[in-house]
Amino acid sequence: NAGVTQTPKFRVLKTGQSMTLLCAQDMNHEYMYWYRQDPGMGLRLIHYSVGEGTTAKGEVPDGYNVSRLKKQNFLLGLESAAPSQTSVYFCASSYSSGSETDTQYFGPGTRLTVL
Amino acid sequence: EDQVTQSPEALRLQEGESSSLNCSYTVSGLRGLFWYRQDPGKGPEFLFTLYSAGEEKEKERLKATLTKKESFLHITAPKPEDSATYLCAVQVRAQKLVFGQGTRLTINP
Repeated sequence: NAGVTQTPKFRVLKTGQSMTLLCAQDMNHEYMYWYRQDPGMGLRLIHYSVGEGTTAKGEVPDGYNVSRLKKQNFLLGLESAAPSQTSVYFCASSYSSGSETDTQYFGPGTRLTVL
Repeated sequence: EDQVTQSPEALRLQEGESSSLNCSYTVSGLRGLFWYRQDPGKGPEFLFTLYSAGEEKEKERLKATLTKKESFLHITAPKPEDSATYLCAVQVRAQKLVFGQGTRLTINP
C-alpha cells in the first residue's frame, strides 16, 4: 500500500494564478483532510470530507476550495493564489469505524511558494 | 478556546541521555491525544493514541503517558535516529484535531 500520496511535491506560483493539489489514498478511508503547516503555527485544518461527494470547512478555509468526487481522491484548489498561501500543505485520511476518535495518516506534503 | 502547548520548543541531548517532552492541553472535551513524529521535509508519522488519564503506551525507546491536563513523551537512551520534531494533537470532536507547535529534538552522537 502506498498510503496517502500527494502531487505535486513542490510548486511555485505567481500571485493570482490558480492551481490544484491532488491527494490520493489507497486505504479505503472514509475521511480525508487538508492541512497547512506554517512555522510557529502548527498544523491547521483547511477543509475536510466525511465521504465521497461531501466537504466541510475547517479552521482556515478562506481562499481554498475542495472536491471529493471519488472516495480515494481529495482535491484542494487555489483559485487566485496570494503570498499568504505560501505554506506546506498536508493531506490526511482516517477510517470511520463509527467511533469519533480516528487516527489520521498523513501524506508527504506539498511545498507551495506564491511570489 | 481549545489550546495545545508543547515544551520545550527545542531540545538537544547526547546519545543515551534520557528526557521527556511535554504536551499540555486546555480543551472542551478530550476524545483522544495523538503523538506524531515528523522528519524534515516529510509528513507526520503516527506514533501513539492515548484515550484516558493513566494510560501509557510504548514503542521502542518511546513511552507516552497521559494525565487529565498533559501528556509526556519519555525518550529512554535515545539514538541519533530519534532526532525529529514530535507533534502532539488533541481530538476535541469528530474530525477536529488541535495540534501543538511541536518539539524539535536533536540527539548528538
